Amino acid sequence: DGGITQSPKYLFRKEGQNVTLSCEQNLNHDAMYWYRQDPGQGLRLIYYSQIVNDFQKGDIAEGYSVSREKKESFPLTVTSAQKNPTAFYLCASSISQGRIGEQYFGPGTRLTVT
Amino acid sequence: DAKTTQPTSMDCAEGRAANLPCNHSTISGNEYVYWYRQIHSQGPQYIIHGLKNNETNEMASLIITEDRKSSTLILPHATLRDTAVYYCIVYGGATNKLIFGTGTLLAVQP
Repeated sequence: DGGITQSPKYLFRKEGQNVTLSCEQNLNHDAMYWYRQDPGQGLRLIYYSQIVNDFQKGDIAEGYSVSREKKESFPLTVTSAQKNPTAFYLCASSISQGRIGEQYFGPGTRLTVT
Repeated sequence: DAKTTQPTSMDCAEGRAANLPCNHSTISGNEYVYWYRQIHSQGPQYIIHGLKNNETNEMASLIITEDRKSSTLILPHATLRDTAVYYCIVYGGATNKLIFGTGTLLAVQP
């Protein structure tokens, strides 16, 4: 079955450590996205990538970094510079940036930093 | 992109139709209405979208008023598994992002 996988589902880290969240898709989609969701809130865009080897900052990119070396993979690194990293992180993809309205989401990774 | 307004929460009896309203009074001519839902602790799921005609798929129906200032998502026979937060989003390509607000929490009651 085609889809998006995120691993792990739950992740625990100590403050000051960088952590990388995995996102893989086998839908052959060009565009991929990372969102952050805090309790009771909507989704906020962190980074997006329209095509391999290209990515742009979203609304809340500070303290995060990404790479897009392969079409199917878009890992997100939460660095120690991110002041409030504890959140639910969601990865999504769409066929292209032009079809951004129809996004497929992964199951999410819940990151807890103490 | 236009902003949307949705009720914070709604209840629906199992087996009945769930009608979720959305106001988007500032929508412009090239903007579509998209609906997603998010079951607790899962990723959002695309449901349906439309421009001005009513749309139906295997999940739901979307009714858009003639002036396009509001729309209603209809789940014809709600089940307990339809309990989720439903997001109404207006998007027309002016930006590179969808804006997910806080949506409507639909609670389907047995």
